[in-house]
Amino acid sequence: AQSVSQHNHHVILSEAASLELGCNYSYGGTVNLFWYVQYPGQHLQLLLKYFSGDPLVKGIKGFEAEFIKSKFSFNLRKPSVQWSDTAEYFCAGRGSQGNLIFGKGTKLSVKP
Amino acid sequence: NAGVTQTPKFQVLKTGQSMTLQCAQDMNHEYMSWYRQDPGMGLRLIHYSVGAGITDQGEVPNGYNVSRSTTEDFPLRLLSAAPSQTSVYFCASRKTSDSSYEQYFGPGTRLTVT
Repeated sequence: AQSVSQHNHHVILSEAASLELGCNYSYGGTVNLFWYVQYPGQHLQLLLKYFSGDPLVKGIKGFEAEFIKSKFSFNLRKPSVQWSDTAEYFCAGRGSQGNLIFGKGTKLSVKP
Repeated sequence: NAGVTQTPKFQVLKTGQSMTLQCAQDMNHEYMSWYRQDPGMGLRLIHYSVGAGITDQGEVPNGYNVSRSTTEDFPLRLLSAAPSQTSVYFCASRKTSDSSYEQYFGPGTRLTVT
């Protein structure tokens, strides 16, 4: 079955710490992977996406993710987080119904 | 372009009431879909449509109806609201020819059923 799993439910970091959020997917065929961010009370915003080419993808707000096919992973990274990065982060992959399949989300709290 | 718009932003219903959540997009996207977001569950697909006149069920369709009479609009109907339908609802659309598979999301409707 297709699935996307996120390793961490809640991550707490201090400002300037480095961030890595784990995401694993399990499905065959064409790979389309995404990271979305949802700030408190806000809608989903696309951070970055991968569908072909360079497996290291750079997104907005200094985020990047690396697609590693052998590990079925698409981890999100940021070298130095800020208080304003406090949000919930969702990894998503291509579904079989034209949709996206979402992980359960990781809440990131950044302490000033 | 307004992108994907949803109305209302907030709604409170009593158990048993019916209502329609509106979704519209002005990007001429063929594919439209509805998701619900619940704490700790991510987003789950309710219904989707690949074009006008064509709809199908997603992962959690029970208690919801959809129709797609135009390319632009994809309303979601709650037939008889239940407390279990308290959630945040997102509409999304995408261009089927876009190889990136990117979906464009609306701002969401927060629904509370008492």
